[in-house]
Amino acid sequence: AQSVTQLDSQVPVFEEAPVELRCNYSSSVSVYLFWYVQYPNQGLQLLLKYLSGSTLVESINGFEAEFNKSQTSFHLRKPSVHISDTAEYFCAVSPPSNYKLTFGKGTLLTVNP
Amino acid sequence: EAEVAQSPRYKITEKSQAVAFWCDPISGHATLYWYRQILGQGPELLVQFQDESVVDDSQLPKDRFSAERLKGVDSTLKIQPAELGDSAMYLCASSLDYEQFFGPGTRLTVL
Repeated sequence: AQSVTQLDSQVPVFEEAPVELRCNYSSSVSVYLFWYVQYPNQGLQLLLKYLSGSTLVESINGFEAEFNKSQTSFHLRKPSVHISDTAEYFCAVSPPSNYKLTFGKGTLLTVNP
Repeated sequence: EAEVAQSPRYKITEKSQAVAFWCDPISGHATLYWYRQILGQGPELLVQFQDESVVDDSQLPKDRFSAERLKGVDSTLKIQPAELGDSAMYLCASSLDYEQFFGPGTRLTVL
């Protein structure tokens, strides 16, 4: 079985500041790692993923995440946030054998002017 | 761009009534998922279909919830009778492989 812990339920930041959203996971098998974003009253959108290879993965809108196997972490970072980044962010894992997603409880990122 | 469709977007019902949600996955996606997302929590898988067959329904409360995907395309999730604790967002997702595409969800409020 897998589990995901998102250490911060809410992260308020000012516009153009850097941000890090923390994610740790537990699994007895190798897993794929994902970050999803959810805007108010919408479904989830895939932000970025780690399947294999380079441990640093990037999204098209400036977010990046680094897979750290020894610390079982997959933290999400952005060097400069915008108001439009305000949303809830979910970390998730799935075993390659069945692609079944296990989500964390989410982190609400609020970007203030 | 192809999207997962869900209806209704919002549903308000009274306790003990029956409710049904509909999902139309992206064309060609064999795998379909139903999730429940309680306010302040991450989504939790209720049921997973591969074509018309149930692959995993271990977290589905089978005394009141049922799901079907008769022709292996669209799917219906039903709750009967609804309870106050069923108030949540119900999300449908579909996939070809590891990447799941989510619909906008149905927000259910049980009074």
